[in-house]
Amino acid sequence: DAGVTQSPTHLIKTRGQQVTLRCSPKSGHDTVSWYQQALGQGPQFIFQYYEEEERQRGNFPDRFSGHQFPNYSSELNVNALLLGDSALYLCASSPTGIKRETQYFGPGTRLLVL
Amino acid sequence: TQLLEQSPQFLSIQEGENLTVYCNSSSVFSSLQWYRQEPGEGPVLLVTVVTGGEVKKLKRLTFQFGDARKDSSLHITAAQPGDTGLYLCARGALRGGSSNTGKLIFGQGTTLQVKP
Repeated sequence: DAGVTQSPTHLIKTRGQQVTLRCSPKSGHDTVSWYQQALGQGPQFIFQYYEEEERQRGNFPDRFSGHQFPNYSSELNVNALLLGDSALYLCASSPTGIKRETQYFGPGTRLLVL
Repeated sequence: TQLLEQSPQFLSIQEGENLTVYCNSSSVFSSLQWYRQEPGEGPVLLVTVVTGGEVKKLKRLTFQFGDARKDSSLHITAAQPGDTGLYLCARGALRGGSSNTGKLIFGQGTTLQVKP
């Protein structure tokens, strides 16, 4: 049973560019959450997708957007990249219902903005 | 505020020593999770504590939830180099008393280094 997978593993971009990160949830999970983790810090919630809609959003600007597909996989898009967007981007999946807080994380995508 | 504060932020110890990591909040929360994250990996769930005063053990790791459900601790006995990593506590963000929304709020983490 494959866990949460993310691609790419590493990415280097320059300021002003746009980036798309991808996530496939654990089998049987239909909810996907995205987190940003700065070096040495805890993850910060970006947003959550369920039934192909954004259900919750953290304190992130509109430059951060996402999408969920019918197969539950998800994408995170960041436009007009800033140096401060350099971080590890984590995807987490969870099942529906009361166990939604039990989240399984992928290995992350390390984004470096130059 | 729903912030979680972890202490200490950094800990460097010798193999065989014991240590305790703390996670505190000014708010009462219904449950709390502890994660361990190794470099280049995502966080891995260690345990979820739900009941005030609850104690859970995972081999050499002991997790405790405060009676008032505002704090938690993680104690490691006889630390080993393999315990090295970032330890994170996290709570769910409840919305209006309904079922948990699944949004996790993390502490800033405790970086543990165990030297052989």
